[in-house]
Amino acid sequence: GESVGLHLPTLSVQEGDNSIINCAYSNSASDYFIWYKQESGKGPQFIIDIRSNMDKRQGQRVTVLLNKTVKHLSLQIAATQPGDSAVYFCAALPGGGSNYKLTFGKGTLLTVNP
Amino acid sequence: NAGVTQTPKFQVLKTGQSMTLQCAQDMNHEYMSWYRQDPGMGLRLIHYSVGAGITDQGEVPNGYNVSRSTTEDFPLRLLSAAPSQTSVYFCASSYSPSGTGNEQFFGPGTRLTVL
Repeated sequence: GESVGLHLPTLSVQEGDNSIINCAYSNSASDYFIWYKQESGKGPQFIIDIRSNMDKRQGQRVTVLLNKTVKHLSLQIAATQPGDSAVYFCAALPGGGSNYKLTFGKGTLLTVNP
Repeated sequence: NAGVTQTPKFQVLKTGQSMTLQCAQDMNHEYMSWYRQDPGMGLRLIHYSVGAGITDQGEVPNGYNVSRSTTEDFPLRLLSAAPSQTSVYFCASSYSPSGTGNEQFFGPGTRLTVL
């Protein structure tokens, strides 16, 4: 199976700084990865995803980096804002065609200080 | 579009009672799934469906049943509620389970307490 874990359960940054949230996965066959943001009392919200044939993908103020050699991915948030305060989850989907079982990590709580 | 809707928002059950958590989406998504989220934990997959009439088990299926008679609806049934099923339940949907740019939409959640 797959296990997904984040390196730090909490992260505190100053407004305007860049944030980096890390995640490790165990299954080298995993070929699709997603980052979600969850605000208090709400469902997770899709941020960005990446397939294993890519090393980097950029969105608006966010970048996901994938290092398949060490089975590690990171989410970078540029110019962090108070509205970015939330729990961030990474999730992995194993490859193999018919395997649709998305595995989530436990989450990192990001706190942005004004 | 309403997106993914879940009812009820809150529910309290007694041990042994049964109930159905409702989930509906109006985006014509083929893939739907149910997760539970416990304090300090990530989301764990209970059951999922890749289309009407097709369901499969996730990581923690015991004590739960699902069916998918229409594309829009994916109800989750608790057969005989136990305190270990106290959790927040999320339903999600997407066009497919994977693929860059294929966003998975989550509902607002149902907070269930089993006494």
